[in-house]
Amino acid sequence: DTGVSQDPRHKITKRGQNVTFRCDPISEHNRLYWYRQTLGQGPEFLTYFQNEAQLEKSRLLSDRFSAERPKGSFSTLEIQRTEQGDSAMYLCASSPGTPGGNQPQHFGDGTRLSIL
Amino acid sequence: KNQVEQSPQSLIILEGKNCTLQCNYTVSPFSNLRWYKQDTGRGPVSLTIMTFSENTKSNGRYTATLDADTKQSSLHITASQLSDSASYICVVSKEGSNYQLIWGAGTKLIIKP
Repeated sequence: DTGVSQDPRHKITKRGQNVTFRCDPISEHNRLYWYRQTLGQGPEFLTYFQNEAQLEKSRLLSDRFSAERPKGSFSTLEIQRTEQGDSAMYLCASSPGTPGGNQPQHFGDGTRLSIL
Repeated sequence: KNQVEQSPQSLIILEGKNCTLQCNYTVSPFSNLRWYKQDTGRGPVSLTIMTFSENTKSNGRYTATLDADTKQSSLHITASQLSDSASYICVVSKEGSNYQLIWGAGTKLIIKP
């Protein structure tokens, strides 16, 4: 399978714990995005990488959230000191870095986070 | 304010019937409009992308239309199948950016046998 893969698919943790999610994009895509989605809503943009550079970070992303893409390939999203409101589906997407921006973003199936 | 609104919020139709989903947007400057299909528990899958100059685009039984003057789009599904049951999300991209996507809340479509 050459699509976007995310790990784990589900994560249950207690409030206050740290969690880390991984995303492996489509190999030839240099753009990578993280989104958060709650039930009945569309995805909310969190952050965007072009290669290893984090070019944009949403104001939704508090200081407890950090994302990395150290070698411009896979990415990790870490949430520290998790809170009840962090419960959501975390989606990763990737796209080619062609000019014009008219390329679809290819999504993984997400990591569903549940905070007890 | 940049917004994307979809209607109806949910829709139930019988297998084999056609349906049309609506999307209105106020995003500016406009670059392109996308429709995604999202099955429950899965990531969204791209159906179509239309730029300002395109007013219709098909992908199998899915046909999207765009009226950039009225800032409206529709997604028409022909001869629905049980596998079409999903959420359909309208997404508008701002000019000059591949990441500034404004997402609608989606229409939840249920196909009944």
